[in-house]
Amino acid sequence: AQKVTQAQTEISVVEKEDVTLDCVYETRDTTYYLFWYKQPPSGELVFLIRRNSFDEQNEISGRYSWNFQKSTSSFNFTITASQVVDSAVYFCALSEAGLGKLIFGQGTTLQVKP
Amino acid sequence: KAGVTQTPRYLIKTRGQQVTLSCSPISGHRSVSWYQQTPGQGLQFLFEYFSETQRNKGNFPGRFSGRQFSNSRSEMNVSTLELGDSALYLCASSWDGPGGGYNEQFFGPGTRLTVL
Repeated sequence: AQKVTQAQTEISVVEKEDVTLDCVYETRDTTYYLFWYKQPPSGELVFLIRRNSFDEQNEISGRYSWNFQKSTSSFNFTITASQVVDSAVYFCALSEAGLGKLIFGQGTTLQVKP
Repeated sequence: KAGVTQTPRYLIKTRGQQVTLSCSPISGHRSVSWYQQTPGQGLQFLFEYFSETQRNKGNFPGRFSGRQFSNSRSEMNVSTLELGDSALYLCASSWDGPGGGYNEQFFGPGTRLTVL
C-alpha cells in the first residue's frame, strides 16, 4: 500500500535558522513520483518540486534543497536561512505511474519567528 | 497563463442538501483531480478525470460524484450532505496524458464548504 509519513507535526524556528522537514514513503512500485507542496495561510497549495524514482540526484533551488534516498525511502526538504515568509504547512506527496492521484502526508506546520 | 479557478469560494449548506462545486483547469491541462482537506483526515483524494472519463477514484461514498466536460472543466457533486462533509475541497489540474501520475498537479484556491 502507498503511504507517506511526515513524523514532524509542528516545527518552530527562529529566522535565519536552517530547518529540515522529514518525509518517508512506502510504495511497492518501482516507478513513482515524489512531490513537495507548500500551503501558506491563504490555503492554496503551491507546488515546490517533483522527483521521479529513477533520479536520486539531490536538488538545490535558492534556499531550498531536497535529499532523495531510495535506500531509506526518504525525501527530505531543507530550508536554509529560514524567513518568516516560509511559515506554512508543508506536504510531501507520492504518486505512482499510471495513477493520477497524490497520496499526501499529514503535513508539517513550520513556524518561523522573527 | 491563468491558474486553476474554483467556484464558489465559500458555501454554507444544511444537512440533507446537495451541492455542486466547479473547477476550471489551467488551459491545456486535461487531467483534473479533486481532493478533500479536513483537520482530522488531512488531504484525501476523491477522484480524477481525464478526457471526460473518471480514471481514478478514492475511498469516498457514492454521495460524492463528479464529471468532466469536453473543455476539461470539472464539477463535483455531493448529495445528502452530512456534517462531516464540511471541508476545503481542492481541485487540481496537470499536463498528465493517458498514463497519468507523472506530472505535478497545480491546485486551485479551494471551496470552503460548511454543513450546518
